[in-house]
Amino acid sequence: DIVMTQTPLSSPVTLGQPASISCRSSQSLVHKNGNTYLSWLQQRPGQPPRLLIYDISNRFSGVPDRFSGSGAGTDFTLKISRVEAEDVGVYYCMQATQSPWTFGQGTKVEIK
Amino acid sequence: EVQLVESGGGLVQPGRSLRLSCTASGFTFGDYGMSWFRQAPGKGLEWVGFIRSKAYGGTAEYAASVKDRFTISRDDSKSIAYLQIYSLKTEDTAVYYCTRWPPRGQLGPFFDYWGQGSLVTVSS
Repeated sequence: DIVMTQTPLSSPVTLGQPASISCRSSQSLVHKNGNTYLSWLQQRPGQPPRLLIYDISNRFSGVPDRFSGSGAGTDFTLKISRVEAEDVGVYYCMQATQSPWTFGQGTKVEIK
Repeated sequence: EVQLVESGGGLVQPGRSLRLSCTASGFTFGDYGMSWFRQAPGKGLEWVGFIRSKAYGGTAEYAASVKDRFTISRDDSKSIAYLQIYSLKTEDTAVYYCTRWPPRGQLGPFFDYWGQGSLVTVSS
């Protein structure tokens, strides 16, 4: 199975400041078709997960443009350009390149 | 508006069976694959299995940890996906989420909408 490792596990951030979450996979997420199936999800407290980013960098409908994804191969990053109060929650990376699809442990974003 | 509503969860004794339903609305259900995930209390997310749309064969696949006890099916006429769980174990205690998998040909999956989840508690 592909192991997804996120850092940091906790990220206290000042409102209006940027935040960055790293996700590293134990093997390349480049599919044999040349695409990379790496998504980012947000889970606010008491809520189900919500898709933010798919295919490394495609922002899902309705997701604010302060969220951006980047990376390639085994290293990926989610960036929040200016953290707002509603961004508090746990963020997960997920790979769907190889079954079983697997998630990172989650990174908790909180306000300082 | 896309909606996915899970139901059927509750308190179940170990060894019993349970069927979760995911009722969809706001889109053409039959065009989409559906996947189930779970989240144990205070833990992270785990993929359980998926079922393809009929256009892609309507077949299901499962995580190795559950494949002998979980069955996913769908009724496109009712816009419902099901997750049947047999021989429940205490470690199956979790919130179970159904998700939608948009059709995109030979490209890989992503899951754009998630239900609110259904809590299954396995305890004697």
